[in-house]
Amino acid sequence: EDQVTQSPEALRLQEGESSSLNCSYTVSGLRGLFWYRQDPGKGPEFLFTLYSAGEEKEKERLKATLTKKESFLHITAPKPEDSATYLCAVQAGSGGFKTIFGAGTRLFVKA
Amino acid sequence: SAVISQKPSRDICQRGTSLTIQCQVDSQVTMMFWYRQQPGQSLTLIATANQGSEATYESGFVIDKFPISRPNLTFSTLTVSNMSPEDSSIYLCSVELGGYEQYFGPGTRLTVT
Repeated sequence: EDQVTQSPEALRLQEGESSSLNCSYTVSGLRGLFWYRQDPGKGPEFLFTLYSAGEEKEKERLKATLTKKESFLHITAPKPEDSATYLCAVQAGSGGFKTIFGAGTRLFVKA
Repeated sequence: SAVISQKPSRDICQRGTSLTIQCQVDSQVTMMFWYRQQPGQSLTLIATANQGSEATYESGFVIDKFPISRPNLTFSTLTVSNMSPEDSSIYLCSVELGGYEQYFGPGTRLTVT
């Protein structure tokens, strides 16, 4: 069965304290792995798509990486405005190309 | 990307009634999706709505409870029928563009009393 597991569930950082969020997955035939940011009361905002192991994408203080079993979202020198829930999702080649979402990591950055 | 709007943004409804949620996209898209997000939880796919065909429902969701319309390439509706408090949730529509990623609307927060 296709699965997506994110850790930790919640992460509290001081402003400027870099860290990483983990997304491990088991799917048959990965088409793409996606990272989203979701602020309270809003819909998820698309951040990155990764297609194959070894691929990396960057945007401001965020960098996403992908291996054959997991993805990391690295946050460098975070600011309070980076506080949000970060969702990982995968789309597999089996199951009719359905996108499966992880439970998310709630990030809190304190000034 | 795409700009997606949903109506209503929130509603409080009595049990046993129905609510229709609208999703409008600023460009023509083939694939649209409806998700449910219960408080503190992740997204669960309700159904895929492609224009010109019947919606495809995921396990645990049925057409009688969640009828979907997709009359054209920019619009869809989801109806939550015969509501109970367990239907209280955020309902989200999304669209898939060329790179497999999905873009989401702002969501409809539904409370059933």
